[in-house]
Amino acid sequence: DGGITQSPKYLFRKEGQNVTLSCEQNLNHDAMYWYRQDPGQGLRLIYYSQIVNDFQKGDIAEGYSVSREKKESFPLTVTSAQKNPTAFYLCASSMGAADTQYFGPGTRLTVL
Amino acid sequence: KQEVTQIPAALSVPEGENLVLNCSFTDSAIYNLQWFRQDPGKGLTSLLLIQSSQREQTSGRLNASLDKSSGRSTLYIAASQPGDSATYLCAAPADSARQLTFGSGTQLTVLP
Repeated sequence: DGGITQSPKYLFRKEGQNVTLSCEQNLNHDAMYWYRQDPGQGLRLIYYSQIVNDFQKGDIAEGYSVSREKKESFPLTVTSAQKNPTAFYLCASSMGAADTQYFGPGTRLTVL
Repeated sequence: KQEVTQIPAALSVPEGENLVLNCSFTDSAIYNLQWFRQDPGKGLTSLLLIQSSQREQTSGRLNASLDKSSGRSTLYIAASQPGDSATYLCAAPADSARQLTFGSGTQLTVLP
């Protein structure tokens, strides 16, 4: 089955820890995205990548980092510099920047 | 900077009614507009993508329209069913970077 997988589904982090969220796609899409969703709000773009080994900051990149070493993978690291990381994180991919985005099931991160 | 607004934030209708969800955007120089559905605690599912050259796009009981000159899009749902209960989000590209800006969504409840 083609699609996007995210792991883990739930993640708990102690203050001061870095954590990495996984995103994998087998759709052969060039573009991949990370969004953050807070309760009752729309999605805000953290980082995006239009091609392997290249990525750009979105609207709220501070405290986050990404890598794109393989076409199918786009992991997101939430660093200790992120002041309020508790949120629902969504990964998406698309064939190109102007095409329909397909989303993974999300990871809910809670800071203890 | 693109801003996307969805009104109302929540809507409750009896089963069988036809309904319209509204989306407005500030930058009319968009190349497409997308509508998504989100079930509680899940990722987003793409419903319709309207290209800037189109005025309407249909999929089953769903019909989306786009009026760039007025900065508005509507999602029409015919003969609503309880299974249509979800949050509906629209998203429009933000400037030449082709990032999507999302509205906060309309939470729809269809009562049996």
